[in-house]
Amino acid sequence: DVKVTQSSRYLVKRTGEKVFLECVQDMDHENMFWYRQDPGLGLRLIYFSYDVKMKEKGDIPEGYSVSREKKERFSLILESASTNQTSMYLCASSTSTGGEQPQHFGDGTRLSIL
Amino acid sequence: DAKTTQPTSMDCAEGRAANLPCNHSTISGNEYVYWYRQIHSQGPQYIIHGLKNNETNEMASLIITEDRKSSTLILPHATLRDTAVYYCIVRPSGSSNTGKLIFGQGTTLQVKP
Repeated sequence: DVKVTQSSRYLVKRTGEKVFLECVQDMDHENMFWYRQDPGLGLRLIYFSYDVKMKEKGDIPEGYSVSREKKERFSLILESASTNQTSMYLCASSTSTGGEQPQHFGDGTRLSIL
Repeated sequence: DAKTTQPTSMDCAEGRAANLPCNHSTISGNEYVYWYRQIHSQGPQYIIHGLKNNETNEMASLIITEDRKSSTLILPHATLRDTAVYYCIVRPSGSSNTGKLIFGQGTTLQVKP
């Protein structure tokens, strides 16, 4: 079965902290994605990666960075957390960025910045 | 990507089939129809997708009209655990784009005992 694992379901951090969100997939997928989901705004793509050490900005990359040192792991970094980054963060992976193959999601990390 | 239209909410009796409609009248020939669902406070779960033909897997069936302008997701025997928001989206084939998913408001399906 497909498995995307996010390191934490719930996380509380303070303003200004550097925050790391980890995502691991066990399907040997080339493509990995980080989204955030907010009420009324739907899913928004932050960053994606189509290969190890490769990264591309999505629609809202400001305030975030990513790291992909191994194929199975994609990390999202909040360089200096702010309250407007309180959100549900979702990691996904797929074999293709095209519609032929689905993206599979983790359970999400609900992050609160105080 | 083509826009989809879904009813805001639907009810279904437990054990009965749930039929969730989706309109995608501007769909292009290379766009797939996808269904995801999201149970409260969890990540979206992939259900099924198709291009032209009807599809069935262990979770659901997808019926796509011949003109491809609409589709129906069928959960054959709904259970209380199927209560969720169901999203119908279309995605182009090929790897020329970012692959980002865009969810609309979806249909909130309430399965009742």
